[in-house]
Amino acid sequence: AQSVTQPDIHITVSEGASLELRCNYSYGATPYLFWYVQSPGQGLQLLLKYFSGDTLVQGIKGFEAEFKRSQSSFNLRKPSVHWSDAAEYFCAVGAGGGGFKTIFGAGTRLFVKA
Amino acid sequence: GAVVSQHPSWVICKSGTSVKIECRSLDFQATTMFWYRQFPKQSLMLMATSNEGSKATYEQGVEKDKFLINHASLTLSTLTVTSAHPEDSSFYICSAPPTGNTEAFFGQGTRLTVV
Repeated sequence: AQSVTQPDIHITVSEGASLELRCNYSYGATPYLFWYVQSPGQGLQLLLKYFSGDTLVQGIKGFEAEFKRSQSSFNLRKPSVHWSDAAEYFCAVGAGGGGFKTIFGAGTRLFVKA
Repeated sequence: GAVVSQHPSWVICKSGTSVKIECRSLDFQATTMFWYRQFPKQSLMLMATSNEGSKATYEQGVEKDKFLINHASLTLSTLTVTSAHPEDSSFYICSAPPTGNTEAFFGQGTRLTVV
């Protein structure tokens, strides 16, 4: 069965420091992979997605993610974190026919220290 | 990009009443829509797949008689929480993939509070 694992429940980084959020997936075929961000009480915002091609994907707000098939990973990175990046981050895989049924990881809460 | 709109954004209802949540694709047609539920401080869990013109497909553990889904047109799916109880209080969010697209787009969500 398809699944997504985000091993870190929460992470705290200092403003200006680099960030890496881990994500591992389990999926039989070539996955459609996504990272979403959710601010408290808000909906989801798509940061980036991977379907095929270049394994390093650029997204909005300075985020990037790298797809590594050998490790079944799709880690999210940002070179310099801003206080406004504090939020919940969800890694997800598109499953089912067409990849539209989205399976979410448990999420990682990012705290940013001043 | 494609826009998916949910209404209402938030709703408070009394225990025992029913609440309807709408999910609309504003600029595209969607034969399939998906409904998710998110409890506080938890992830989003797929509840059901809504299919235009046919019965919805529910995930294991989701009560189909409690969560009624109707997908009467190619741009509208509704989720009705029947006989709501406080434990149904949650954030409900839908998604819809445009035909021929490679991803589904999410609505802004509906915060349901049952008192």
